[in-house]
Amino acid sequence: AQSVTQLDSHVSVSEGTPVLLRCNYSSSYSPSLFWYVQHPNKGLQLLLKYTSAATLVKGINGFEAEFKKSETSFHLTKPSAHMSDAAEYFCVVSESGGSYIPTFGRGTSLIVHP
Amino acid sequence: DSGVTQTPKHLITATGQRVTLRCSPRSGDLSVYWYQQSLDQGLQFLIQYYNGEERAKGNILERFSAQQFPDLHSELNLSSLELGDSALYFCASSPVLGVTNTEAFFGQGTRLTVV
Repeated sequence: AQSVTQLDSHVSVSEGTPVLLRCNYSSSYSPSLFWYVQHPNKGLQLLLKYTSAATLVKGINGFEAEFKKSETSFHLTKPSAHMSDAAEYFCVVSESGGSYIPTFGRGTSLIVHP
Repeated sequence: DSGVTQTPKHLITATGQRVTLRCSPRSGDLSVYWYQQSLDQGLQFLIQYYNGEERAKGNILERFSAQQFPDLHSELNLSSLELGDSALYFCASSPVLGVTNTEAFFGQGTRLTVV
């Protein structure tokens, strides 16, 4: 069975400071991992994905994430936050060899202060 | 624009009623997923269809049903609506059966309000 835990329900940063959104996963098979972003009253947009190639994955808008199998983690980072980054972020796992159904974490709300 | 179209965008209806939510997947995508997003439950997987056949079920109530038509569009039917069914319903599509090397593409959602 697969599951994903987002360790913080809210993260608050100042504009221009680094962002770290934490995600731990559980999977019986080789996982594919994704980060999606949801801006207020909008749909879900893919930020980046890990599919067993390079462990450091670069996404859109300066975000990146590192797959660490030993820690079962897939944390999302960005060197410098923008006001426009304020949104809800979802970590998602899907098992290769498992159900293949994307399973979502509860989400982390990123708040960016001027 | 993800290429996944959901209609309507907003729906307000009374308790006890029945509604139908529609989803047109990206061109060529055979898999369709339905999710419910509520404040207390987060994003919950409801059901998946692949090329017209039901392939996986999640936390879908018996009052809810879905189908995928030959042209690959999908409909989610919600009946005997309760206040607690108020939520944002998302449809997603992917080219193949599962989401592994390719991601799922999400529509903008249908916001259902039951009054």
